[in-house]
Amino acid sequence: NAGVTQTPKFRVLKTGQSMTLLCAQDMNHEYMYWYRQDPGMGLRLIHYSVGEGTTAKGEVPDGYNVSRLKKQNFLLGLESAAPSQTSVYFCASKNGGLGQGIRNTGELFFGEGSRLTVL
Amino acid sequence: LAKTTQPISMDSYEGQEVNITCSHNNIATNDYITWYQQFPSQGPRFIIQGYKTKVTNEVASLFIPADRKSSTLSLPRVSLSDTAVYYCLVGAPMDSSYKLIFGSGTRLLVRP
Repeated sequence: NAGVTQTPKFRVLKTGQSMTLLCAQDMNHEYMYWYRQDPGMGLRLIHYSVGEGTTAKGEVPDGYNVSRLKKQNFLLGLESAAPSQTSVYFCASKNGGLGQGIRNTGELFFGEGSRLTVL
Repeated sequence: LAKTTQPISMDSYEGQEVNITCSHNNIATNDYITWYQQFPSQGPRFIIQGYKTKVTNEVASLFIPADRKSSTLSLPRVSLSDTAVYYCLVGAPMDSSYKLIFGSGTRLLVRP
């Protein structure tokens, strides 16, 4: 049981290049999230998904796109990377709503992070 | 989602009890209070969750007064390994619109 796995863990891009971060979870969770965390700062929500085929904007969605074609995967794309997108990106997942268990706290499970540097 | 306010940082010494308070004046009836812990270079991890009064687990205790406008995370006898950032979240985990927005957190430094 791997939990939440992020790929790649490190990446260096040049300004204007594109890339995709992959988040995979094996817990059959409904909800998935992408956050970014700049040095010394808290986490900011980029996009999230409440189920396969759905996505929604978070606090800082500009410059990013996402897709949730399969329940277990949540992809974060940067079409034209900018130095301001240098950050550590975290993916997280959690169970859905009622019916998932009386003691479902809605706990978020995080990946190990992906460190992205844009030159 | 209810806005939360926490101290930016706290210092403590090994063996002391640490209490971190979170203010959430506009908490809604269905909202729960959840705390996460984040070590450097790692994703946050769930510590504890509560709705009212007191909740205790093997890691921490959570105290919530009757008006629920604040909550206090209590870490008994901290060690160096408790140095981390602690986040307070308020919302309804079962709600499909629960965006799970983190605040700036409280940076706890435990000294020898």
